[in-house]
Amino acid sequence: EPEVTQTPSHQVTQMGQEVILRCVPISNHLYFYWYRQILGQKVEFLVSFYNNEISEKSEIFDDQFSVERPDGSNFTLKIRSTKLEDSAMYFCASLGQHNQPQHFGDGTRLSIL
Amino acid sequence: KQEVTQIPAALSVPEGENLVLNCSFTDSAIYNLQWFRQDPGKGLTSLLLIQSSQREQTSGRLNASLDKSSGRSTLYIAASQPGDSATYLCAVRPTGDYKLSFGAGTTVTVRA
Repeated sequence: EPEVTQTPSHQVTQMGQEVILRCVPISNHLYFYWYRQILGQKVEFLVSFYNNEISEKSEIFDDQFSVERPDGSNFTLKIRSTKLEDSAMYFCASLGQHNQPQHFGDGTRLSIL
Repeated sequence: KQEVTQIPAALSVPEGENLVLNCSFTDSAIYNLQWFRQDPGKGLTSLLLIQSSQREQTSGRLNASLDKSSGRSTLYIAASQPGDSATYLCAVRPTGDYKLSFGAGTTVTVRA
């Protein structure tokens, strides 16, 4: 069964550094998402992406965050200058048709030191 | 803003017992509702998707019901096994929207 893949599985970075989290969504899917889960908290929406542009973003997704679909298969989340509070598990998800489930990757655990 | 609540936060049962997990949401204008399983430190595995027009959805030992008007969904797991131990998350997709709003989850322990 097709699946969403995320790399790396764990990223450790110094505060203030830039990080790029990578995702390969399911190939025929059209809608792409990033969510995050801070340890012990709910999974929360960050951003959705459709037709090569952001369709919606949450309050969390400020100017430090950006997303890109550089080559038609990868979907990336960049954090320009990481803060301690960015430490979380970041999940990528994709959706094919509206009446289908969102499929999630295994996540990237981001640890900011 | 859609708020999703899952009660109880944790549940421990002996093997073989049926599990009942509850999810409630504040805005009944939903497109669909999805149940996920999350193992510690792992990703989200989709278990069941129930559309707003459906009353229930079944997959093997899992059955999810939806009462949209009262803002409730219930996940039933029959004849629980130790391998069912995990956190179960409920997520709602509002009408006219594409993002999911998640509950905090119910952590289930099935004792052998």
